[in-house]
Amino acid sequence: NAGVTQTPKFRVLKTGQSMTLLCAQDMNHEYMYWYRQDPGMGLRLIHYSVGEGTTAKGEVPDGYNVSRLKKQNFLLGLESAAPSQTSVYFCASSPTGEGNIQYFGAGTRLSVL
Amino acid sequence: SQQGEEDPQALSIQEGENATMNCSYKTSINNLQWYRQNSGRGLVHLILIRSNEREKHSGRLRVTLDTSKKSSSLLITASRAADTASYFCATVNSGSGNTGKLIFGQGTTLQVKP
Repeated sequence: NAGVTQTPKFRVLKTGQSMTLLCAQDMNHEYMYWYRQDPGMGLRLIHYSVGEGTTAKGEVPDGYNVSRLKKQNFLLGLESAAPSQTSVYFCASSPTGEGNIQYFGAGTRLSVL
Repeated sequence: SQQGEEDPQALSIQEGENATMNCSYKTSINNLQWYRQNSGRGLVHLILIRSNEREKHSGRLRVTLDTSKKSSSLLITASRAADTASYFCATVNSGSGNTGKLIFGQGTTLQVKP
């Protein structure tokens, strides 16, 4: 059982470049989330989805877009990367109920030069 | 803005000792959860306590919740070197509807020395 899988694990971008981070879950969860983690800041919610075809903004959505075309996948896009987007990105999924316990991927470490 | 504040930010203890971490939050909650993060890895759920519960146990973990003070504590008893990790509290706020959104604290880094 793979759980939540994030690709890629590492990436280095130049300012202005674009990229897409992929999150895939095999647990048939309805809810999916994208977070960023910066030193001393904990996790901050970027965007989330409560079901296939739905997305919503979180706490820090600027500079990011998302799509949830299939229930098992949640994509995070950076259209024009900036150094401020250097961070570790985590995807999580959650079933409805169960108190909204979230299951996390291993993270993507992104550096924007 | 982030809701949870954790204390202490860092904690270093000897193997076998107990570790206590505290979390405070600002608004009404449905539940509060604790997660562990090993270095370079994703977060792993440890325990959940609902707003109408005051204490919960899971193995060597004990969580308390005081909704009047808007605070929670996580106690790890008889710590082991393998407990070395960062620990985060996270809340599901009462007003979050059916979104499942968690608000995370900044975390406590625990080092357990052999």
